[in-house]
Amino acid sequence: DAKTTQPPSMDCAEGRAANLPCNHSTISGNEYVYWYRQIHSQGPQYIIHGLKNNETNEMASLIITEDRKSSTLILPHATLRDTAVYYCIVIDPNFGNEKLTFGTGTRLTIIP
Amino acid sequence: DVKVTQSSRYLVKRTGEKVFLECVQDMDHENMFWYRQDPGLGLRLIYFSYDVKMKEKGDIPEGYSVSREKKERFSLILESASTNQTSMYLCASRGAGVAYEQYFGPGTRLTVT
Repeated sequence: DAKTTQPPSMDCAEGRAANLPCNHSTISGNEYVYWYRQIHSQGPQYIIHGLKNNETNEMASLIITEDRKSSTLILPHATLRDTAVYYCIVIDPNFGNEKLTFGTGTRLTIIP
Repeated sequence: DVKVTQSSRYLVKRTGEKVFLECVQDMDHENMFWYRQDPGLGLRLIYFSYDVKMKEKGDIPEGYSVSREKKERFSLILESASTNQTSMYLCASRGAGVAYEQYFGPGTRLTVT
């Protein structure tokens, strides 16, 4: 039972903003939205997370809709090094579930 | 920046050998994890540890054991390697509290022949 839905693949031109959508229509009030990415042959990398408010860090911005049923990860100026599989997951940190479970994610390809 | 290192990037072992995979983190994190990642099966948790000398089984602990003698080091042991343990092994760590940012090492691609 997938808790998130993401498009399987996307392309983005180098230097442009990459906007990666994620649907999580069954998200509960205590669940956070987390984004990770995995570059080929490397370990997953944490990007950003949020609960209700939009968040920004040095890597990306996270926009969460008011009803929290969907979110968008924004890479403001995509580079070739941003080519990776991006995973959106929802986690209730109070549930005591330690493991990360990734779905199939979105394969983002940055085009030169 | 958090740094998680793993002892080898690539490893080839024979069936029946004892295999040690080492992981070290430099951020004084309480929690450490071992996963394996296989095509079509995603990320699966083998073991995790929330303190020195403490360990908890994940979803697929069979055929593996772990050791955490020091806070910064978490070892995965394959007592008798088998071909179905050929996989990418990923170590991760995170701090205490409710945050779920896990920081991963580069991975060890283990081939058992």
